Amino acid sequence: KNQVEQSPQSLIILEGKNCTLQCNYTVSPFSNLRWYKQDTGRGPVSLTIMTFSENTKSNGRYTATLDADTKQSSLHITASQLSDSASYICVVSEILYKYIFGTGTRLKVLA
Amino acid sequence: SQTIHQWPATLVQPVGSPLSLECTVEGTSNPNLYWYRQAAGRGLQLLFYSVGIGQISSEVPQNLSASRPQDRQFILSSKKLLLSDSGFYLCAWSFGHNTGELFFGEGSRLTVL
Repeated sequence: KNQVEQSPQSLIILEGKNCTLQCNYTVSPFSNLRWYKQDTGRGPVSLTIMTFSENTKSNGRYTATLDADTKQSSLHITASQLSDSASYICVVSEILYKYIFGTGTRLKVLA
Repeated sequence: SQTIHQWPATLVQPVGSPLSLECTVEGTSNPNLYWYRQAAGRGLQLLFYSVGIGQISSEVPQNLSASRPQDRQFILSSKKLLLSDSGFYLCAWSFGHNTGELFFGEGSRLTVL
């Protein structure tokens, strides 16, 4: 069964600290993997996309990694800000219109 | 640039009443369109997707239906709402040629009482 699992479910950190979110998937065939940020009560917004051949991709303070062999991805947030408080969702694409969503990690950044 | 509009943002409906959520996309043609539902603490569940006018695929048997009367318009409907239909509904679109980025609307919060 195609699944995407994320950990931890929730995380609380102090402003300025770094954190890493994990995503494990069993989706096959694999097209690409995206990380989305979802503010409370809003639609998700894409942060990064990783294809099979990519290992690392950065978007400002967000850095995503992908290990296609172990089927693991991580999202590292550097120097966290209060505005980073949100849910982060890992999404793996199969082929053609098929997206498998993780349940997300809820991040809370405290001042 | 492309934009997606979804409405209403919030809706409180009694059990047994009808539902209509609307979504329109601007700035692109022939997009793939999707309706998702997000329950608290759970991942997004695909309800319907469409690759063209009048072409609707249903992923989950349920009390809901979808229609695409125009290229960039996607409507989610129900004739009689159930309590279990409560949730956060998201419309999304992607370019039609690959499994690219999903662009989401702002969502519609439905509460069925």
